[in-house]
This record gives sequence, C-alpha cells and structure tokens, in this order.
Amino acid sequence: QITLKESGPTLVKPTQTLTLTCTFSGFSLSTSGVSVGWIRQPPGQALQWLALIYWDDDKRYSPALESRLTITKDTSKNQVVLTLTNMDPVDTATYYCVRKTYYYDVSVYFDAFDMWGQGTMVTVSS
Amino acid sequence: DVQMTQSPSSLSASVGDRVTITCRASQTISSYLNWYQQKPGQAPRLLIYAASSLQSGVPSRFSGSGSGTDFTLTINSLQTEDFATYYCQQSYSPPPTFGPGTKVDIK
Repeated sequence: QITLKESGPTLVKPTQTLTLTCTFSGFSLSTSGVSVGWIRQPPGQALQWLALIYWDDDKRYSPALESRLTITKDTSKNQVVLTLTNMDPVDTATYYCVRKTYYYDVSVYFDAFDMWGQGTMVTVSS
Repeated sequence: DVQMTQSPSSLSASVGDRVTITCRASQTISSYLNWYQQKPGQAPRLLIYAASSLQSGVPSRFSGSGSGTDFTLTINSLQTEDFATYYCQQSYSPPPTFGPGTKVDIK
C-alpha cells in the first residue's frame, strides 16, 4: 500500500521559513523513474504545482517561486522536505505531497500525479 | 506556462445525468492531459491520464477524450459520490499547470 503524509507547522509568521516533510511508504525514491513533489491549494482556489525531486536527485521548481523554494530528499528515511522562505499571507494554503508516475503508451511516456497525501493546511499570519 | 481553462466553472446535475466538462489549453499539448476529482476536505484523486486512459480503480462511467488543445471529461450516469470538483492538468510542458476547476453539485 502506497501512502504519503505531510507534516509541519500549521501556523507561520510572515517572513519566516516554512519547512514541510513528506514521509512516504510503499515505494522507494531510489528506484529509477520515481519522483515526489509538492502541490498547494489556497482556500477555495485551484491547484498550484511547486516542486519535484527525482530518484537521481534532479530537481524542478515552479518558475514563479523558484527563488524561495528548496526540495531535498532522504532516501533512507523515505522523506522529502520542502522549504519555502519569506512566507507571506498569500502562501496560506493546503500543501500536498504527491508522487508522479509515468505511463508508457505506444512509444510515448505520459505522466500524472497518481498518489497524494492528505494535505496539511498552513496559515501565514502574525 | 501553458494556461488551462475549464468550462463551465460549475454545473448542477441530477443522479443519472450525463455530464460533460471541457478543458482547453493555451497551446497544443498533444494528449498530455490528466483529470482529477476532488471532494471537499479531501486530496485530489487521479481519474484519467493521457487524455483518455482510465486510472486503475476508477469506475468506467468516467471517460476522457480530446487532443491538441481541447479536451473533455464525461461522466455517464452521474452517481451521488461523483459530486465534486474536477480539475484538468497538462503534463506536456513544464511547469505542470492545472485548470481552475469545475464544481459539479446536486440539482
């Protein structure tokens, strides 16, 4: 059974740094092709992709937030950590940890976020 | 970034209805289009990948179609558990981007 679970503070002050941890089970981030990332959703709004880390430690970030984001992994602990610096009230959102999976179809690879954590709500307020 | 739009933004339907939701990309994305369902207080769930492939465990009343810039999610014979918000997402060009969502509620 594959699970992902987010942990971290529920309340942060403006200008502080947010650190979230995703602890997963049922798969390994050392397996070729595997990647884990983060997506957030402000209250009542749509989903926004933030970052992704691959099995080979390659990293991808949202261009809009790249200067503030860092994603790392600890393969031995089955964890992925996201940090977001200089938090602002507009960063208030539910943050989801996700796994990206590849699907092979007629010589083409597609990908999708097939597994999601339950999400963790983070409020930015003084 | 590839911009995704959805229509309608919301709709009301009855159990047993056939529901169609449209998603449009700002540029061609071939078949790199996924659909997700989100119920209140829950994480999104992958329904359809590669525009028309049903994710394992998803009921066959859900189907997807389209390629290029225009895509459709169809729910045949809407069930009570299908009342939710549906999002499309493109995986053709990084960064992955989502549509604004379509809320399906009970008429």
